[in-house]
Amino acid sequence: DARVTQTPRDKVTEMGQEVTMRCQPILGHNTVFWYRQTMMQGLELLAYFRNRAPLDDSGMPKDRFSAEMPDATLATLKIQPSEPRDSAVYFCASGLGVGIGTGELFFGEGSRLTVL
Amino acid sequence: KNEVEQSPQNLTAQEGEFITINCSYSVGISALHWLQQHPGGGIVSLFMLSSGKKKHGRLIATINIQEKHSSLHITASHPRDSAVYICAPSGGGADGLTFGKGTHLIIQP
Repeated sequence: DARVTQTPRDKVTEMGQEVTMRCQPILGHNTVFWYRQTMMQGLELLAYFRNRAPLDDSGMPKDRFSAEMPDATLATLKIQPSEPRDSAVYFCASGLGVGIGTGELFFGEGSRLTVL
Repeated sequence: KNEVEQSPQNLTAQEGEFITINCSYSVGISALHWLQQHPGGGIVSLFMLSSGKKKHGRLIATINIQEKHSSLHITASHPRDSAVYICAPSGGGADGLTFGKGTHLIIQP
C-alpha cells in the first residue's frame, strides 16, 4: 500500500535548536510539496520540488528554513534556529506532475512540531 | 495570488441531510482539489477535477472553470463525514496548491 511517510510524527524542542523533518514520497512520484498548517493561517505552501529540482520556495522564511531533495526517495525540511512561531504541523505531499498543474496529491500524516 | 473563498465556514447538519460546500477562487486554474481532514488526522485527497463533475460514492464534486467556482456535495450524510473539507486550486501560474480556510462539517446522528 503506497503512502507518503513522514518522520518524526511529533517533535518538541527548545527555541534555537535545529529541527529536521523527513519525507519519503511515493515511489515514482516526481513532485514533492512541503506544507505547513497552523490554526491561524490554515495550510500554506512552503516549497516544492519537481524531479528533485526546487521550483518554488517563496513561502518559506529563507533565513531559517531550507528544503532539499538529496535523492528521489527523500525530501528534507530543516529549521535552524527554530522559534516558537514555527510550531505547526508540517505536511509532505507527493504526486505526479505533468506540465502545468499537479496531479492527485497524496499527503503524509504530518509532523507536529512544538518549539518551546 | 489566488484568493480562495469557501462557504460556509462551519456547518452542522443532521444525519441523512444533503450537504453542499462552495468554493470560489480569483485566478484561472488548471485543476482544483478537494481535501478532507478529520480531527487530529491527516489529509486525504477526495477529488481532483478540471472540468465538469466527478462522483465517488456519496460524494460529488463539480467545477465551473468560467465562473471560477466549485462545489462539493455529500448525499445521505453520515456522522463519519464529520471533518474539515478544504478546497485547493492549483495551476494559474503556480503548481503548488492555494488553500481555502476549510469548512468544518459536523453531522449529528
